[in-house]
Amino acid sequence: AQRVTQPEKLLSVFKGAPVELKCNYSYSGSPELFWYVQYSRQRLQLLLRHISRESIKGFTADLNKGETSFHLKKPFAQEEDSAMYYCALSAGGTSYGKLTFGQGTILTVHP
Amino acid sequence: NAGVMQNPRHLVRRRGQEARLRCSPVKGHSHVYWYRQLPEEGLKFMVYLQKENIIDESGMPKERFSAEFPKEGPSILRIQQVVRGDSAAYFCASSGQAEAFFGQGTRLTVV
Repeated sequence: AQRVTQPEKLLSVFKGAPVELKCNYSYSGSPELFWYVQYSRQRLQLLLRHISRESIKGFTADLNKGETSFHLKKPFAQEEDSAMYYCALSAGGTSYGKLTFGQGTILTVHP
Repeated sequence: NAGVMQNPRHLVRRRGQEARLRCSPVKGHSHVYWYRQLPEEGLKFMVYLQKENIIDESGMPKERFSAEFPKEGPSILRIQQVVRGDSAAYFCASSGQAEAFFGQGTRLTVV
């Protein structure tokens, strides 16, 4: 069975501070990992996926298969980064929308 | 491109009534997914449909819940004889050949 764990329900940082949102997963195969973000009153949207290895809005995430982690990082947090963040796992293949989500982390960036 | 449209946004039903939730996917997308989010929990996969076919219903409760995605028209998630425990946010996502896009969800309240 696949599982995604986000150990922090709430995370608060000050503007300009580094931020790291933790995500650990368990899956026996080769997963695809994603980070989704939900800003206030908006729909869930894809932030980044490990396959593309790109940086979006200054966020990066590296898949560490040894530690089964996919932590989301940003060196300098901005107030507009305040949102709910979900880590998600897909078994791959063509069903891109069948995802296992973590419980989410609410990030608050204080001025 | 209006994205994934879900309606209604809010639905109140009395115990024992039926709830019908609608999802119109992104134009051209043929894959639809339904998720449920209970209070204080992450999104949980329910069912994956393609046009006129249920591909994976491993997350669907065995009773009272059904889903369809007809050749014409939106996908429907139907909950019969609702109970208080069905109160949740229900999200729909659609995908083509790449990432999944999510709707804004329907918040079902059973009174």
